[in-house]
Amino acid sequence: KNEVEQSPQNLTAQEGEFITINCSYSVGISALHWLQQHPGGGIVSLFMLSSGKKKHGRLIATINIQEKHSSLHITASHPRDSAVYICAVRPEKFYFGTGTSLTVIP
Amino acid sequence: KAGVTQTPRYLIKTRGQQVTLSCSPISGHRSVSWYQQTPGQGLQFLFEYFSETQRNKGNFPGRFSGRQFSNSRSEMNVSTLELGDSALYLCASSFGLGLGDEQFFGPGTRLTVL
Repeated sequence: KNEVEQSPQNLTAQEGEFITINCSYSVGISALHWLQQHPGGGIVSLFMLSSGKKKHGRLIATINIQEKHSSLHITASHPRDSAVYICAVRPEKFYFGTGTSLTVIP
Repeated sequence: KAGVTQTPRYLIKTRGQQVTLSCSPISGHRSVSWYQQTPGQGLQFLFEYFSETQRNKGNFPGRFSGRQFSNSRSEMNVSTLELGDSALYLCASSFGLGLGDEQFFGPGTRLTVL
């Protein structure tokens, strides 16, 4: 049983396209995190959400607590956005999605 | 401000040996979490320490242990290594355990068990 489900698993987009990655979870949470992992392993925390919506540059994250669902949007995608995006939720400890591998083609 | 550092970055061990990995958090951060990442299982939570106390633990066997020192530096130990322990081990630090505390990840230690 996976507490966190992400879709799609893999995504290829043309530069400039609008991208959406979805995350659904089954546990009660105190916060949901979106992480970005580039080849080589380094992980960066993009957003931490407990309600509503957050925006940082071309990235937007939303969460619907009632539906237990979050989305990560990338507007005007760029090849440097190519990475694995991981959703993580935290009730008392962290549960992770399996990640979405995004490739943006110039 | 220096980021989270992990040592060593790469490690090769043989089955049955034990290993100790080290994590130095960002100055002022008191919480350190450890994660294992493998191609098959993805990212999995190992444990979390705050002020030298283990606050949460993931579903790993007792061969995996950790501790945190008074300066917030943390170590994790894996005894009697198995081939399946080959993974990228990541630590992350945060100021506290609160809802608003962002996690900052280190570069990881890549462990290979032969």
